[in-house]
Amino acid sequence: GAGVSQSPSNKVTEKGKDVELRCDPISGHTALYWYRQSLGQGLEFLIYFQGNSAPDKSGLPSDRFSAERTGGSVSTLTIQRTQQEDSAVYLCASTLPRGASGSSYNEQFFGPGTRLTVL
Amino acid sequence: KNEVEQSPQNLTAQEGEFITINCSYSVGISALHWLQQHPGGGIVSLFMLSSGKKKHGRLIATINIQEKHSSLHITASHPRDSAVYICAANSGGSNYKLTFGKGTLLTVNP
Repeated sequence: GAGVSQSPSNKVTEKGKDVELRCDPISGHTALYWYRQSLGQGLEFLIYFQGNSAPDKSGLPSDRFSAERTGGSVSTLTIQRTQQEDSAVYLCASTLPRGASGSSYNEQFFGPGTRLTVL
Repeated sequence: KNEVEQSPQNLTAQEGEFITINCSYSVGISALHWLQQHPGGGIVSLFMLSSGKKKHGRLIATINIQEKHSSLHITASHPRDSAVYICAANSGGSNYKLTFGKGTLLTVNP
């Protein structure tokens, strides 16, 4: 596709249920990021993938959160035993390989996000 | 204290006015990003800069590395410029993760 896509666009779940959020990055983008945007909190980093490996998971708020990436493409963010404080918009972004555009730090292309509501 | 601070938090302007949004950061950075988010909409990258100044249409971004400060200017503002503008920093290292400011909500009235 032309841009980063995420699914579902909206997810309402009950407290204690598990949820999976999906991100399809732009083809050829090797780096993938998950961010979270909470009401009143702004945007925060969750996890970074380079290819299929995640060298930086420092932003995951608890061990209920995990993510994987397969084939250097699609990524899934899983939240187990959801809590009300997990309610937020979860955003995915991707970038070209390091240095591909002549700059060491490449533009991030954001997906539309998944709005998660935990009741 | 947040590593990336923006001001003002909220800004209301009349159509045609010159707008300035400021961003200060406390970490060493390799690049500074300005992002735009319309209400209920996705995030769009406006600028990525590591020095000097960049211009796209009515938007201008500047950065002063020594002072750790960046500004986003909008000339001849228009109601369609109404959005949240977010400053974000690449702090360097082996990945490009962003540290974000809390955003500036701009409302341009006709």
